[in-house]
Amino acid sequence: GQQVQQSPASLVLQEGENAELQCNFSTSLNSMQWFYQRPGGSLVSLFYNPSGTKHSGRLTSTTVIKERRSSLHISSSQTTDSGTYLCALERGNSGTYQRFGTGTKLQVVP
Amino acid sequence: EAAVTQSPRNKVAVTGGKVTLSCNQTNNHNNMYWYRQDTGHGLRLIHYSYGAGSTEKGDIPDGYKASRPSQENFSLILELATPSQTSVYFCASGLGSQNTLYFGAGTRLSVL
Repeated sequence: GQQVQQSPASLVLQEGENAELQCNFSTSLNSMQWFYQRPGGSLVSLFYNPSGTKHSGRLTSTTVIKERRSSLHISSSQTTDSGTYLCALERGNSGTYQRFGTGTKLQVVP
Repeated sequence: EAAVTQSPRNKVAVTGGKVTLSCNQTNNHNNMYWYRQDTGHGLRLIHYSYGAGSTEKGDIPDGYKASRPSQENFSLILELATPSQTSVYFCASGLGSQNTLYFGAGTRLSVL
């Protein structure tokens, strides 16, 4: 079954509102990464977060390994935040690979 | 900033034909990956490599081969392309555990 589940699948916000995106995983992992993908574009890493909380501007990532979840909080959303947010769990020992969730499609409207 | 370059950016192929997607990275990363992205499935791992000469099967390797002739280059090969392989393909590279991934711009492949 799907090892990485993201919710919600899609979300529409009014500019200025906050959002909480969730990622739940059903397997062991080394770490969790969050990526942003512009419509029709490539992926850009937002956070590499093995555990705890990390901040970057208006974004906050929290990973709780014991509870097998990670979240991405977006505060004071802007129209330029629109796009798809994907989480990926890192697995492996001598070599690593990432397994992605299906993403949350975010639209921020003025 | 790590540079990962994919070519071609767009490709139209015929069923049964051979397709080669190329990926080049200039940051001396050990690990390289090929993913495909389809609506409803997110990114799925096809093949990956830990260094020159090595290739590993990912979650959906059937119908694909990979080649890593050097540290910089990683190719994905479709020997007999099928319409089900129509997708957007992404290459990525990284140093390994506890390091982020860097993605190429993607290749849009249509198999008719």
